[in-house]
Amino acid sequence: QVLLQESGPGLVNPSQTLSLSCTVSGDSISSGGYYWTWLRQQPGKGLEWMGYGFYSGASYYNPSLQSRLSISVDGSKNQFSLRLISVTAADTAVYYCAKSLPGGVHAFDIWGQGKMVSVSS
Amino acid sequence: DIQLTQSPSFLSASVGDRVTITCRASQVISNYLAWYQQKPGKAPKLLIYAASTLPRGVPSRFSGSGSGTEFTLTISSLQPEDFATYYCQQLNSYPSITFGQGTRLEIK
Repeated sequence: QVLLQESGPGLVNPSQTLSLSCTVSGDSISSGGYYWTWLRQQPGKGLEWMGYGFYSGASYYNPSLQSRLSISVDGSKNQFSLRLISVTAADTAVYYCAKSLPGGVHAFDIWGQGKMVSVSS
Repeated sequence: DIQLTQSPSFLSASVGDRVTITCRASQVISNYLAWYQQKPGKAPKLLIYAASTLPRGVPSRFSGSGSGTEFTLTISSLQPEDFATYYCQQLNSYPSITFGQGTRLEIK
C-alpha cells in the first residue's frame, strides 16, 4: 500500500519561502513512470495543480506559478519536495502531494492527507 | 488554458436518487478527463479516469461518460456516503492541468 505524507512548517511569513516535503512509503520513488505532484486548495475554494517532478530530475509547472515554484525528487530519501518563493496571503492553502497513475496518465490515485499552510506575519 | 465548467454547482438529492453532474471543456480533450470526490477535511479521491474507467475499489454505482468537450458523472443510486463535493479534471498537462469549480452534492 502506497502512502504519502506531507511535512513542513504550518506558518510562513510573507515574502519568505514555503518549503514542504512529501515522504513516500510502500513504493520506491525511483521506480519511474509516475508524476510526483503537488496541488493546493485555498480555503473554501477548488483544486489547483501546481506542478510535478520526475525521478530523472525533470519537472513541469503551472505557468501561473512557474516563476516562483520548484519541485525536486530525492530518491535517497524517497521524498519529493516543493519550494515556493516570495509567498503572499494568496498562497495560504492546504497543500497536497499526490502520485499519478502509471503510464503517463495525469490522474492522481494516491494523495497525502494535506498540510495546511498559512502565510501571515 | 483549458477551462472546465461543471453544472450544477450545487445539487440537493435524496438517498436512492440517480444524479448526473456535467463537465464541459472549453476545447476538445478527447477522453482525457477524471472525476474526484472530496469530503470535508479530506483529500480528494479518484473516482474515474479516461472519462469512463473506474479504478479498483470504486463502487460500480459510479459511472462516467463522454468525449470531446462534454462529460458526465452519474451516480446510479445515491448512498449516504456519497454526499460530498465532486470535481472534474482534464488530464492534458499542456499548458496546465485544470479542474472544474466543483459540484457540491447535499442531502435533501
